[in-house]
Amino acid sequence: EAGVTQFPSHSVIEKGQTVTLRCDPISGHDNLYWYRRVMGKEIKFLLHFVKESKQDESGMPNNRFLAERTGGTYSTLKVQPAELEDSGVYFCASSQRIYGYTFGSGTRLTVV
Amino acid sequence: GDSVTQMEGPVTLSEEAFLTINCTYTATGYPSLFWYVQYPGEGLQLLLKATKADDKGSNKGFEATYRKETTSFHLEKGSVQVSDSAVYFCALTTNRDDKIIFGKGTRLHILP
Repeated sequence: EAGVTQFPSHSVIEKGQTVTLRCDPISGHDNLYWYRRVMGKEIKFLLHFVKESKQDESGMPNNRFLAERTGGTYSTLKVQPAELEDSGVYFCASSQRIYGYTFGSGTRLTVV
Repeated sequence: GDSVTQMEGPVTLSEEAFLTINCTYTATGYPSLFWYVQYPGEGLQLLLKATKADDKGSNKGFEATYRKETTSFHLEKGSVQVSDSAVYFCALTTNRDDKIIFGKGTRLHILP
């Protein structure tokens, strides 16, 4: 089966611009998660979708971040406007059960 | 709150050396413990896991034992290979929610 796909793999944008990250989960996986790793720090939870509903968005850092999962398939994470501290690697994961997490290869975002 | 602390990297070893990456945790209740690995250019992969005290997780020659008395889950391998070069993340989950709590990661370099 195809894995979790994220794109772009890399993105370099200027401060104040908008960037949209996309995640395509494994087909049939109801659970979709976003995590972020800021340079040298822990990978931190951002939010969790169950199908198209936000189950938990307690990790979203502020209202510049907007996540959507229309139709319960792929998800997008938009950062608008981007700030320097948003730089990092954004991981997406999907699962049917918690022990069945499959992670994507991540999107490396650099804000300059 | 719940947290994971792992040894700082990078760790550089020669091929066939013995590896230990230390990991300790803080959590209420009885967490499940994991080691994830990220090889260059790839996503996070589950390396091994343990769900209760004294369990030993193992995979690809790596082992880790869930030590409740020392709240530790140290990763070991008896003879590392160049192909083991990667970033290793210690992590935990609790029964309260679906979030994975990660450590900061340890970069491992194996020299031929």
